[in-house]
Amino acid sequence: DAKTTQPPSMDCAEGRAANLPCNHSTISGNEYVYWYRQIHSQGPQYIIHGLKNNETNEMASLIITEDRKSSTLILPHATLRDTAVYYCIVRDPWGKFQFGAGTQVVVTP
Amino acid sequence: ETGVTQTPRHLVMGMTNKKSLKCEQHLGHNAMYWYKQSAKKPLELMFVYSLEERVENNSVPSRFSPECPNSSHLFLHLHTLQPEDSALYLCASSQDWRDISGDEQFFGPGTRLTVL
Repeated sequence: DAKTTQPPSMDCAEGRAANLPCNHSTISGNEYVYWYRQIHSQGPQYIIHGLKNNETNEMASLIITEDRKSSTLILPHATLRDTAVYYCIVRDPWGKFQFGAGTQVVVTP
Repeated sequence: ETGVTQTPRHLVMGMTNKKSLKCEQHLGHNAMYWYKQSAKKPLELMFVYSLEERVENNSVPSRFSPECPNSSHLFLHLHTLQPEDSALYLCASSQDWRDISGDEQFFGPGTRLTVL
């Protein structure tokens, strides 16, 4: 299974863009990168996913490097409600998600 | 609201009790999942059901017994648990667990279980 590496924590100022990095250097060609977040004591929430092209939706943008060994989740205008643990996951070919420790993002006023 | 509900939200039980966790999804999905989240540990996949058939069992002890009577309901029956089983138990659903290209999982709020 491909593994991911994320920084354990990061702070972001409210209203600024938050750029969350993720390394997945052993990713295979058919494995997708998914991002979820988990607000304290709630279930994880889907954010976005992609294979090799950059993706954007109403919540965030996902930038995947050309060699697919890393990606960045961008929250364009962070709000206090974006404080959460963010998980970068490489989904294996059998469909399973393997959650890591994630990045604790704290958005400050 | 994600369309996945779990009851109860909190449960305290003794090691000799038998209890059940319930999950219901209102999304018309075909796959349902149980995850365990212990303190300071990543989410661990426990079971996967697809069209009411168990397709994944991640070496979970037999004191945890899942049941999927139909595609909308999932239960986790608990008996003779240990204090280390105290955790947040999360249910999720998705349309097709094999579709790695676009099958996002929707999670319920979880049941906070404490075993005394």
